[in-house]
Amino acid sequence: GAGVSQSPRYKVAKRGQDVALRCDPISGHVSLFWYQQALGQGPEFLTYFQNEAQLDKSGLPSDRFFAERPEGSVSTLKIQRTQQEDSAVYLCASSPRQTYEQYFGPGTRLTVT
Amino acid sequence: GQNIDQPTEMTATEGAIVQINCTYQTSGFNGLFWYQQHAGEAPTFLSYNVLDGLEEKGRFSSFLSRSKGYSYLLLKELQMKDSASYLCAVSPTNDYKLSFGAGTTVTVRA
Repeated sequence: GAGVSQSPRYKVAKRGQDVALRCDPISGHVSLFWYQQALGQGPEFLTYFQNEAQLDKSGLPSDRFFAERPEGSVSTLKIQRTQQEDSAVYLCASSPRQTYEQYFGPGTRLTVT
Repeated sequence: GQNIDQPTEMTATEGAIVQINCTYQTSGFNGLFWYQQHAGEAPTFLSYNVLDGLEEKGRFSSFLSRSKGYSYLLLKELQMKDSASYLCAVSPTNDYKLSFGAGTTVTVRA
């Protein structure tokens, strides 16, 4: 079946612009995670949803970052007033209820110029 | 915070065995994971250990010692397609959010 999809795959933004990154999880998956991966590093946790509830947003680096999952399926990560340090790959992962295996999407590579 | 350490790079010959070590110090423990990530692609799940011991899955095996805060991933009969980054990750809480190490880049040479 279809895996996790993310769009756009690549995004170039000028510093100060707002961006929105979309994640389509595997159908029926309850849990959804966002991670940020800088070049040459492992992914860093940003936020976690269970259905439409955002249960953990402790990893969001600043109040410029906002995530939502209004209907418990598609999720959007929004970054306001982008800065150069926001340049990274943003990964989305989903998993069925209460299981350990996360399925990752291909990521969105964000470059802020 | 979470501290997860693994070597930066390893090189091995096709057909050989490579062992990637991972040590961790985390605020809680709900399992240790290994993921494979090819350049420019999504991480893919390899293994999950929550109890001490060895888990074997084909050419890949993963070992955990909770008392030592230590794990390794063993790759046997290396193939060129195994050239990738291998990420060690720990879930410190029961919601399975992951804390990752920086990854070990394995290069397989002919």
